[in-house]
Amino acid sequence: NAGVTQTPKFRVLKTGQSMTLLCAQDMNHEYMYWYRQDPGMGLRLIHYSVGEGTTAKGEVPDGYNVSRLKKQNFLLGLESAAPSQTSVYFCASRDGQGNYGPLHFGNGTRLTVT
Amino acid sequence: GNSVTQMEGPVTLSEEAFLTINCTYTATGYPSLFWYVQYPGEGLQLLLKATKADDKGSNKGFEATYRKETTSFHLEKGSVQVSDSAVYFCALSGEGDGGFKTIFGAGTRLFVKA
Repeated sequence: NAGVTQTPKFRVLKTGQSMTLLCAQDMNHEYMYWYRQDPGMGLRLIHYSVGEGTTAKGEVPDGYNVSRLKKQNFLLGLESAAPSQTSVYFCASRDGQGNYGPLHFGNGTRLTVT
Repeated sequence: GNSVTQMEGPVTLSEEAFLTINCTYTATGYPSLFWYVQYPGEGLQLLLKATKADDKGSNKGFEATYRKETTSFHLEKGSVQVSDSAVYFCALSGEGDGGFKTIFGAGTRLFVKA
């Protein structure tokens, strides 16, 4: 089972460039999330989606946009990259049914902005 | 809102030592509680969970008990191995913030020496 797949795995951008990170899940999960992980700061929620066509802001949404055009995909866009966006980005998903279930994570995208 | 506090690391132990990583939380209602583990270069993966008071989650020799009276969910293992070296995250998901979000602690890095 593929689970949650993130592409690309690594990327280097220059300040001001744009890029899109792709997350795909094959578990038919309703909820999808984008987190960033920085040393000493744990995971911080950027944006999330509770269903196809819906998105919402998390703790640190500035400088990022997202789209959920298909249930299985959740895209994270950086319109104009800044060095402060150097981080490891994780996508996660979970089932929306019933009580509060666990998250399933991808293996991350390591982004460096120079 | 909901929050999670876990002990700072790093924690360094010798093989076969006893492990405790403390975690306390603040939440409305009755959240679900989780421990996730992150091995180098990978995403987070669920280690164990508990969904109601006095539940004990267990997996791979790790255990944690949901203590509502002390709002705690401490992770324990009786005899650690070198292969347990990783970063451990305590997390909760509950009514606060609409029930959609999972809140993470800052993570505790564990080093186990042979």
